[in-house]
Amino acid sequence: DAGVIQSPRHEVTEMGQEVTLRCKPISGHNSLFWYRQTMMRGLELLIYFNNNVPIDDSGMPEDRFSAKMPNASFSTLKIQPSEPRDSAVYFCASSFPGQTNTGELFFGEGSRLTVL
Amino acid sequence: EDKVVQSPLSLVVHEGDTVTLNCSYEVTNFRSLLWYKQEKKAPTFLFMLTSSGIEKKSGRLSSILDKKELFSILNITATQTGDSAVYLCAVEGNEKLTFGTGTRLTIIP
Repeated sequence: DAGVIQSPRHEVTEMGQEVTLRCKPISGHNSLFWYRQTMMRGLELLIYFNNNVPIDDSGMPEDRFSAKMPNASFSTLKIQPSEPRDSAVYFCASSFPGQTNTGELFFGEGSRLTVL
Repeated sequence: EDKVVQSPLSLVVHEGDTVTLNCSYEVTNFRSLLWYKQEKKAPTFLFMLTSSGIEKKSGRLSSILDKKELFSILNITATQTGDSAVYLCAVEGNEKLTFGTGTRLTIIP
C-alpha cells in the first residue's frame, strides 16, 4: 500500500499567491483529515471529511482557506491569498472509522509551506 | 472546547533509562486516546486506548488509560537513541481528534 500521498512536499511562495496542497488518501479509507503543524500550536485540525462530505471545518482559520474532496481518492486544501503566518507543515491523514471511534489515523509525509 | 495537555514538554535522558510521558485531557464524549511518535516527518501510530486499566504493550513501549482521572501514560523502558522523537497524545471526542503539543524526548548515548 502506498500510504497517504501528499504533494508538493515543499512549497515556497510569496505573500498574496494562491497555494494548493493535494492529498490522496489510502484506498478504502473513508475519512480524510487536514492538519496544520507549527512549533507554537502543535497539530491543529483544520477540516475533516467523511465519505467525501465535509463534517467539521471549524478549524479552518478564515475564509482564505478552503478544502474540497471531489471523490474518494483526492482532496485539496487551498489558501488564497497566502500570508506569512500560514507558513507551517500541512498534513493530510486518512482512516477507516470503526463503530465507536475514528480509528488509527495514517498520515502523509506533509507539505512544508513557506510564505515569504 | 476539547483539551489535551502533555507533560513534560521535553525530556533528556541517558540510553537505558526508563521514561514516563503523561497525557491529561478534557473532552466531550470520549471515544479513544491515541499515542503517536513523530520523528522527522509524519506521526506514526503507537497505541489506541479505549478502556480504563488495560495496558497496551509493544516491545519496550507500554501505555495505560485512566478514564476516571482523565489521563494516560506512555512508558518506555531501556531507552535507545532511536526512541528520540516527539511523542504526541491525541484524544477523540465528538468525532474529532485533538492533539496535545507533544513531549520531545531526547536519548543521549
